[in-house]
Amino acid sequence: EIVLTQSPGTLSLSPGERATLSCRASQTVTSTYLAWYQQKPGQPPRLLIYGASSRATGVPDRFSGSGSGTGFTLTIGRLEPEDFAVYYCQQYGRTFGQGTKVEIK
Amino acid sequence: QVQLVQSGAEVKKPGASVKVSCKASGNTFTSYDINWVRQAAGQGPEWMGWMSPNSGKTEYAQEFQGRVTMTRNTSISTAYMELNSLRSEDTAVYYCARISRAAGHAMDVWGQGTTVTVSS
Repeated sequence: EIVLTQSPGTLSLSPGERATLSCRASQTVTSTYLAWYQQKPGQPPRLLIYGASSRATGVPDRFSGSGSGTGFTLTIGRLEPEDFAVYYCQQYGRTFGQGTKVEIK
Repeated sequence: QVQLVQSGAEVKKPGASVKVSCKASGNTFTSYDINWVRQAAGQGPEWMGWMSPNSGKTEYAQEFQGRVTMTRNTSISTAYMELNSLRSEDTAVYYCARISRAAGHAMDVWGQGTTVTVSS
């Protein structure tokens, strides 16, 4: 079973700053099957990125994904107030990482 | 716009069973597989298994083998997840979500979640 490890656990940033979130896999993950989700309190996760780098419908272009093999990154170009949330990576619609919380500094 | 609407909150005693429903709007119910995911308070999501509404084929996560059953009723565009032998650790929000094969099996449409509380 592939284990996904996200870092950091918490990221404290100010609006307008750039956020860089990491997701490392215990084995090689096919990029096609790597996704990122955003979750806010009381809501289900929302798909942001699929195929490691493709934005889902309606996702602003300040969100971008990159990486391959065992290392993947989600970058938020300039944080907006609505971007403060928890972010999860996931592979093949199954295994999730433990999440990175992006909080207001 | 496809929507998945889940059944309401449940409170169960240890050892009981719970059955959560997930109704799809529109006429694409049999075109997309469904994942079931649960999330305990303060924890990350946990994949439980998937089902093909078209064929009824299922695959369950090893952790839930023998305790979970996923079924569907295509005439009413509804998927079901039944979890047996409930214990306190099963207290969580349970979600159904549509799997998009075009998006690498990512989940692009989610139900609103069903809170299941297991308590004596």
